[in-house]
Amino acid sequence: AQSVAQPEDQVNVAEGNPLTVKCTYSVSGNPYLFWYVQYPNRGLQFLLKYITGDNLVKGSYGFEAEFNKSQTSFHLKKPSALVSDSALYFCAVRDLDNAGNMLTFGGGTRLMVKP
Amino acid sequence: NAGVTQTPKFQVLKTGQSMTLQCAQDMNHNSMYWYRQDPGMGLRLIYYSASEGTTDKGEVPNGYNVSRLNKREFSLRLESAAPSQTSVYFCASSEIARLDTQYFGPGTRLTVL
Repeated sequence: AQSVAQPEDQVNVAEGNPLTVKCTYSVSGNPYLFWYVQYPNRGLQFLLKYITGDNLVKGSYGFEAEFNKSQTSFHLKKPSALVSDSALYFCAVRDLDNAGNMLTFGGGTRLMVKP
Repeated sequence: NAGVTQTPKFQVLKTGQSMTLQCAQDMNHNSMYWYRQDPGMGLRLIYYSASEGTTDKGEVPNGYNVSRLNKREFSLRLESAAPSQTSVYFCASSEIARLDTQYFGPGTRLTVL
């Protein structure tokens, strides 16, 4: 079975400071990992994904994520937070080696960036 | 290019009533999905359609039915609504199932009294 955990319900950061939103996953095969962002009353928007290659993945709006196989983590990062980054962030995973699996989403982390 | 659209945006039902949530995509995607979002639980897959003419159950299919009307449209039906189905429902699409980025609609907020 595949699963994903976002250990923090909320992350608070001051504008201009670096931010990290944590994600850990569990799959039996190779992971296919995503980050999505949800603004209030909107659908999810794709930020970035990792399937293979460089462990540091760059995405939309200046976000990046670091894949760490040994720690089974895929943390989302941004060097300098903006107030407009305040939103709900979802990590998702799929086991590439299990053809029957679809995407599994984490419970979400609310990011609050204060001026 | 509207992407993924959903109707209605909001709906209130009484227990036992039925309704159909509509979803359409204009990106010529092959695969479409229905999710429900509940606080603290992320998104859970209800049903998906890997290609036109096929549908499959997801993680939480009980109480729902779907129809892939054509390549563009994928509807979700609640035959006899229950309060446990109060949720926000999202439709998504992707070029192919499993291996591609999913694009989401704006959601339908459903309340069952």
